[in-house]
Amino acid sequence: EAGVAQSPRYKIIEKRQSVAFWCNPISGHATLYWYQQILGQGPKLLIQFQNNGVVDDSQLPKDRFSAERLKGVDSTLKIQPAKLEDSAVYLCASSLDPSGRAYNEQFFGPGTRLTVL
Amino acid sequence: DAKTTQPNSMESNEEEPVHLPCNHSTISGTDYIHWYRQLPSQGPEYVIHGLTSNVNNRMASLAIAEDRKSSTLILHRATLRDAAVYYCILRDEGSQGNLIFGKGTKLSVKP
Repeated sequence: EAGVAQSPRYKIIEKRQSVAFWCNPISGHATLYWYQQILGQGPKLLIQFQNNGVVDDSQLPKDRFSAERLKGVDSTLKIQPAKLEDSAVYLCASSLDPSGRAYNEQFFGPGTRLTVL
Repeated sequence: DAKTTQPNSMESNEEEPVHLPCNHSTISGTDYIHWYRQLPSQGPEYVIHGLTSNVNNRMASLAIAEDRKSSTLILHRATLRDAAVYYCILRDEGSQGNLIFGKGTKLSVKP
């Protein structure tokens, strides 16, 4: 079974530039998550989709971050414009159960490492 | 979701058992205890979860205290590949599903 795919793996941009990350979840997984992981910390949820609807985006900085999940499959996360503090690893995860029940295992992709100069 | 407390780091020797502790004194009756680990330069991966009873799978065992205020992840024979950050996470039965990560325990394994 193929895992969660993410691209690019690495990205270096200058502040105020735009950047986009792509995620392809495991086939059939209804729930998709984007996490931000700053160096030395655990991942922090940015946004959660169930199929193509947003369940939780309370920690997404909406003035500069946006995300969409087309047709309930792939997802993109965009930052526009980027700030220095956005330097982090952006992780995509998916889970099978659309209800997001507490015992539901999440599968993570390898992440995209963003460096903002 | 309730908070957990883990040591910042632990060391182990290869092929010896490792016991990774987690305190969760404010756990509620509907909180599941999850463990994930993150190997260097990879995304987190699921290890094990439980509610009340001890659990075993091919990766590890989870021992849950009778009062559920603490738990221990047990790796029976540590290998170099087990060097990772281990996260203990509580998730309420009725939660939407996102994981709230702390800083975890960084496990080093010496050959």
